[in-house]
Amino acid sequence: DIQMTQSPSTLSASVGDRVTITCRASQSINTWLAWYQQKPGRAPNLLIYKASSLESGVPSRFRGSGSGTEFTLTISSLQPDDFATYYCQQYESYSPLTFGGGTKVEIK
Amino acid sequence: QLQLQESGPGLVKPSETLSLTCTVSGGSTGSNDYYWDWIRQPPGKGLEWIGSIYYSGNTYYNPSLRSRVTISVDTSKSQFSLKLSSVTAADTAVYYCARHGYTWPVNWNFDLWGRGTLVTVSS
Repeated sequence: DIQMTQSPSTLSASVGDRVTITCRASQSINTWLAWYQQKPGRAPNLLIYKASSLESGVPSRFRGSGSGTEFTLTISSLQPDDFATYYCQQYESYSPLTFGGGTKVEIK
Repeated sequence: QLQLQESGPGLVKPSETLSLTCTVSGGSTGSNDYYWDWIRQPPGKGLEWIGSIYYSGNTYYNPSLRSRVTISVDTSKSQFSLKLSSVTAADTAVYYCARHGYTWPVNWNFDLWGRGTLVTVSS
């Protein structure tokens, strides 16, 4: 399995802050990485695919970068609607498809 | 607008088989553009991919669950289903149905999800 490790597991920030979340893969996944946002009681929502491509309808303050084994999700100016848990997912290997453990972005 | 909706029992006894169905509205599981997925999330924990099915019946399963999982598709009803046998309390989770694109690996990310259904394993 390709293990996905996110850091930090929890992040406290204020509205307007720049926020960066890291996702590391246990082996190279090229750019086959997606980011999802999940709010309590809701299904995850796709934000970023192929490491840096913004899904339609997602605000431009979300930016993904990276390749190989290290990736980042950056929120340029945190908005009240962005307080949520974020997950990365690799799709280089489908045996199995795997997610990171999640990063909860909390209000400071 | 295409939507996914999970349905099935919310309570399953230990050692029995969990059965869920996902109904696709506004579209069809007969599309050759997508695979249809099951993903689960234990309360307060992260996401685990269970498996995928194509309209032709071709499947991919998580090796950790393969011995207990069967995913099937009914294109006439625009539905796909999950069966998980010999369940234990560790299988208690919110179960989501979702889809990803056909071409590996280009679009094997999940761009559409159902709302999820909580299944509790308890006697």
